Amino acid sequence: QKEVEQDPGPLSVPEGAIVSLNCTYSNSAFQYFMWYRQYSRKGPELLMYTYSSGNKEDGRFTAQVDKSSKYISLFIRDSQPSDSATYLCAMSARSDTGRRALTFGSGTRLQVQP
Amino acid sequence: DSGVTQTPKHLITATGQRVTLRCSPRSGDLSVYWYQQSLDQGLQFLIHYYNGEERAKGNILERFSAQQFPDLHSELNLSSLELGDSALYFCASSELQGALTDTQYFGPGTRLTVL
Repeated sequence: QKEVEQDPGPLSVPEGAIVSLNCTYSNSAFQYFMWYRQYSRKGPELLMYTYSSGNKEDGRFTAQVDKSSKYISLFIRDSQPSDSATYLCAMSARSDTGRRALTFGSGTRLQVQP
Repeated sequence: DSGVTQTPKHLITATGQRVTLRCSPRSGDLSVYWYQQSLDQGLQFLIHYYNGEERAKGNILERFSAQQFPDLHSELNLSSLELGDSALYFCASSELQGALTDTQYFGPGTRLTVL
């Protein structure tokens, strides 16, 4: 079993829809959670990060973490065709020097139809 | 543009060969991370260097090695290449040595094809 599980999709939604992307994890030591967006033939770019359970909002994006269920989500409101990309969740645990290496989900491919 | 540069963009080579991938981190960043992204394995952490010193190793094969030079650029060396090494190789950089608030910025990647 992988430490981080993510549905690969593809997920196809109409423009303006609310998108929900999710990851589950098995390692209870994970404390630091991120979402990256990766456009085709590009490197991943950081969208949001959070340390704690609860919600964090940034514009149209909301990251949600439920440590008790080992479940994280990314919500995209008013989705746009430019949001079409692969979304990767990533997480890491604390180490003596700060933070251990990132463990990524396999990514969910999102297609927003105009 | 993240500020991280990688060369070459594409590399096509044969099995058994050796290649070197190069990464220049963002100005001021001391940490360099290497990742491999393949269709079946997703994005896998390979190795982390901070200011010239190896800090952490992930799923890096013994045929692969890396180093970070005094000017902070890094090279990933892949030898005795196999078909299964075909993948995208990403470099990322960050300011610190992996603190909780340390954001990694990814380069555009090198696409390696082993024939």
